[in-house]
Amino acid sequence: DTGVSQDPRHKITKRGQNVTFRCDPISEHNRLYWYRQTLGQGPEFLTYFQNEAQLEKSRLLSDRFSAERPKGSFSTLEIQRTEQGDSAMYLCASSLAPDYEAFFGQGTRLTVV
Amino acid sequence: AQRVTQPEKLLSVFKGAPVELKCNYSYSGSPELFWYVQYSRQRLQLLLRHISRESIKGFTADLNKGETSFHLKKPFAQEEDSAMYYCALRVGNFNKFYFGSGTKLNVKP
Repeated sequence: DTGVSQDPRHKITKRGQNVTFRCDPISEHNRLYWYRQTLGQGPEFLTYFQNEAQLEKSRLLSDRFSAERPKGSFSTLEIQRTEQGDSAMYLCASSLAPDYEAFFGQGTRLTVV
Repeated sequence: AQRVTQPEKLLSVFKGAPVELKCNYSYSGSPELFWYVQYSRQRLQLLLRHISRESIKGFTADLNKGETSFHLKKPFAQEEDSAMYYCALRVGNFNKFYFGSGTKLNVKP
């Protein structure tokens, strides 16, 4: 599968722990996006990278959240001191250009217990 | 504020029946509307976008700015159309989407 890859697919963590997710975009896609999807809702935008530069962050991305794309290829999303409200599917997407089709990964499902 | 509303959480139709999945949006600028689909155990994927004005898998959608709607239609539903459908509004010049809450389409044999 040469699409957007996310790891892990599932993560169960205790409240208060830190977690980190990884996204590998389609190669040569220099635009990368993170979305969060809670049960019964559509995805919500979190943040956007052009190469290694984080160009936009949603207000949903509290101080406990940090996203990086250090070499302009893969990206990581870290959540510190997880809370039960962080339980969601975290989706990554990439595109060749800012307004070209966005291709989504299969997501990382986080459960905070 | 930007908002996308899909009023139906579930839509069940019989094979061969017409389908219309409703989508309404709220946006003060010039809207770009999309339909995304998620088949069972698969990733979210683009179905169609209003600017291309094309039919994909027999589905069409027309942007109606007067009614602020972008309903998805298909004249004859197939069982393989069963999936979750999301309407999305793109804001700005990159892929920042506002998604609706989705409609699950169930096509019965």
